[in-house]
Amino acid sequence: QKEVEQNSGPLSVPEGAIASLNCTYSDRGSQSFFWYRQYSGKSPELIMFIYSNGDKEDGRFTAQLNKASQYVSLLIRDSQPSDSATYLCAVIFRTSYDKVIFGPGTSLSVIP
Amino acid sequence: GAGVSQSPSNKVTEKGKDVELRCDPISGHTALYWYRQSLGQGLEFLIYFQGNSAPDKSGLPSDRFSAERTGGSVSTLTIQRTQQEDSAVYLCASSPGAGLAGSDTQYFGPGTRLTVL
Repeated sequence: QKEVEQNSGPLSVPEGAIASLNCTYSDRGSQSFFWYRQYSGKSPELIMFIYSNGDKEDGRFTAQLNKASQYVSLLIRDSQPSDSATYLCAVIFRTSYDKVIFGPGTSLSVIP
Repeated sequence: GAGVSQSPSNKVTEKGKDVELRCDPISGHTALYWYRQSLGQGLEFLIYFQGNSAPDKSGLPSDRFSAERTGGSVSTLTIQRTQQEDSAVYLCASSPGAGLAGSDTQYFGPGTRLTVL
């Protein structure tokens, strides 16, 4: 059973702090990793994807991938109340279908 | 360009009735996914179409659920003999699937909120 796990939260951080969201996956052969953000009542939207070990930065967001330890994380610097949402980790398991598996999501609340 | 569209946006039906939900993916996208999301819950995978390959139906919760994708584009999710536990938001997503970096990114439609009375 291929799985993607996340802490459900809620994770609360004060405005301006760094929010750290973590995701672990079971399939060592996974190659593609995505972070989506979902506001309440809205559809998920892509924040960023990462394929290679190490860090990938995009504005206030940094994705970190460690394939040996099978985890991927998302750091949000200078957190803003508008970052309050559920963050979904998604992993592609390389089977004949290359199917995307989503984690359950972590709820983030940024307190003004 | 146009994003993923879904119709209807809301559907209220009576228990035991059949419903059809429609998804129009982004033009040229080869992969199409259906998910179900109950209030406050995560995404529940239902079915996945990739090009002309046979769909991955492993997520369909019962034989009351079926889906098809005609001409590699529009998809219809059909729920027969609806039950109250089928009430949820049904989300469709498509992705380019061309093998390039980021091509597996999913673009989600606005969803169909299904309420079974």
